[in-house]
Amino acid sequence: DAGITQSPRHKVTETGTPVTLRCHQTENHRYMYWYRQDPGHGLRLIHYSYGVKDTDKGEVSDGYSVSRSKTEDFLLTLESATSSQTSVYFCAISEASRGGRAEQFFGPGTRLTVL
Amino acid sequence: GQQVMQIPQYQHVQEGEDFTTYCNSSTTLSNIQWYKQRPGGHPVFLIQLVKSGEVKKQKRLTFQFGEAKKNSSLHITATQTTDVGTYFCAGGANAGGTSYGKLTFGQGTILTVHP
Repeated sequence: DAGITQSPRHKVTETGTPVTLRCHQTENHRYMYWYRQDPGHGLRLIHYSYGVKDTDKGEVSDGYSVSRSKTEDFLLTLESATSSQTSVYFCAISEASRGGRAEQFFGPGTRLTVL
Repeated sequence: GQQVMQIPQYQHVQEGEDFTTYCNSSTTLSNIQWYKQRPGGHPVFLIQLVKSGEVKKQKRLTFQFGEAKKNSSLHITATQTTDVGTYFCAGGANAGGTSYGKLTFGQGTILTVHP
């Protein structure tokens, strides 16, 4: 498996609290992604990064922000968690050198419950 | 935006039966990738197709990319209990801009194999 870790692996929080999820990679891949997985919806892209300090929105970005200050770390923040953000969150990475057609490698996921 | 539909959502088979899942995109794709996610696990890359009409095989798995590069299928011959999991297709945006490796995932097909 590619060197990707996510922390925490499980979190329970209350509505209105801020939450930050961390993705850490040791592969030096340029592209990083945050997805959420919900039953019946597959994997939906929240935000992605194409380099240090270079990020952009995905299809379900409302209520989420990201930061990437180092190649190896990509942080996802829920500024004020809501119950609709209860989900499993996956981080993924891919290598940029193959013209955008590289496969993605996924982290183990973070299960977030917002009460 | 780009949409990728995948059917069926669920498939229950007896061990030894064949299985097929289908993927259809609203737009022409640059490439299509397939992933497998075991229960409780993370998505793992299986294969990528990039050419119109391309067919690739991996042991009992056969992957096809349509002539118009808008649809794809995964066929498993003689399923085994080890095939259990969710199979996702993921389409890459057509060339014409920098895609940053982004993928649009189908909803996934959950395969159950009864021994």
